[in-house]
Amino acid sequence: ELKVEQNPLFLSMQEGKNYTIYCNYSTTSDRLYWYRQDPGKSLESLFVLLSNGAVKQEGRLMASLDTKARLSTLHITAAVHDLSATYFCAAGPAGTYKYIFGTGTRLKVLA
Amino acid sequence: ETGVTQSPTHLIKTRGQQVTLRCSSQSGHNTVSWYQQALGQGPQFIFQYYREEENGRGNFPPRFSGLQFPNYSSELNVNALELDDSALYLCASSQDGGAGQPQHFGDGTRLSIL
Repeated sequence: ELKVEQNPLFLSMQEGKNYTIYCNYSTTSDRLYWYRQDPGKSLESLFVLLSNGAVKQEGRLMASLDTKARLSTLHITAAVHDLSATYFCAAGPAGTYKYIFGTGTRLKVLA
Repeated sequence: ETGVTQSPTHLIKTRGQQVTLRCSSQSGHNTVSWYQQALGQGPQFIFQYYREEENGRGNFPPRFSGLQFPNYSSELNVNALELDDSALYLCASSQDGGAGQPQHFGDGTRLSIL
């Protein structure tokens, strides 16, 4: 059964700094998603990664996928306060229409 | 473009009762997935409907059931409510089974069981 783990669970960082959130999954997955959730709000889709080596960037966020290592990363460049939120990755077991979410990384960017 | 809408926004029930939650998918989307999100946790996949058929299910008991209508809107039904069913229930829509497509989430229904 596919399991998804994120680390760190909590991240407090200064504005202007760089950091990476890691998402590991335990068995073969044919798709990897990143979402953002603000407190009391729903989830916003950030990235969909479908192939080994895929890299996508939007603003200060960049996501990558290494299917051989079963690892995706979400890199934050020069963090700003507006990036404070909880970030989730989710993987889909190959050949199914299921989605397994990680426990989330709660990011707080300090001014 | 109309986004995903869910109703009601909040609901309070007691143990043993039954509840129906509703979701209207985004325009052009034929796939709806339902999730349960407990406080401080990631969403847990309940099931997915594609063109009115269930095509994926997570580890939820049969008292969680669903339906998708010809206009692709969907319902989540939960029977014999338990205290642990208290959570935010999220609906997400996508195109063509969703694999490889981004999911668009509604604002959720907050269900409290007393």
